[in-house]
Amino acid sequence: EIVLTQSPGTLSLSPGERATLFCRASQSVSSSYLAWYQQKPGQAPRLLIYGASSRATGIPDRFSGSGSGTDFTLTISRLEPEDFAVYYCQHYGGSPPLTFGGGSKVEIK
Amino acid sequence: QLQLQESGPGLVKPSETLSLACTVSGGSISSSPYYWGWIRQPPGTGLEWIGHIYFTGTTHYNPSLESRVTISVDTSKNQFSLKLTSVTAADTAFYYCARHYTGWSLLYWGQGTLVTVSS
Repeated sequence: EIVLTQSPGTLSLSPGERATLFCRASQSVSSSYLAWYQQKPGQAPRLLIYGASSRATGIPDRFSGSGSGTDFTLTISRLEPEDFAVYYCQHYGGSPPLTFGGGSKVEIK
Repeated sequence: QLQLQESGPGLVKPSETLSLACTVSGGSISSSPYYWGWIRQPPGTGLEWIGHIYFTGTTHYNPSLESRVTISVDTSKNQFSLKLTSVTAADTAFYYCARHYTGWSLLYWGQGTLVTVSS
């Protein structure tokens, strides 16, 4: 089973600042199968990034993903008020289980 | 626009079976090249994948739940369903249905339904 470890657990930033979130896999994975989600209270997760770096339809270009092997990054270039939320990474390479990271919360400083 | 909607009891007694359905609108399950899945989230915690199904009936399950889970599909109703047996309080969670996309990402999600296990 691939374990995904996200850091930091909580990031306290102000609107307009840059957010950098990390996702580390317990073993090397294909970047084709690494995704990022945003979840706000009371809502279902929303797909932001798939294939490690491709933005889903309608996702603003301030969100970007990068990485390979075991280390992946989600960057929000300039935080907007609506970006304060919890972010999850996810991997599935075709063999169960599909796994999620534990989440990183971006909160207003 | 594809929409998914979960339905089922919000309260289940311990040791009984949790049953949920996901109704798909705006597209056909049987014409989609992607899998359809179930994910759960205990209140205040993270996401856990339960399993997924293809319209042909092929399934994959989380090994941690596999002995208690059955996911099935009814293409005539454009629905897929989840059954989880022998539930305990640890199964209390928001249950989401979703559809996969490129690279096994999950693009379309239902709004989620809270299922509480309690006597």
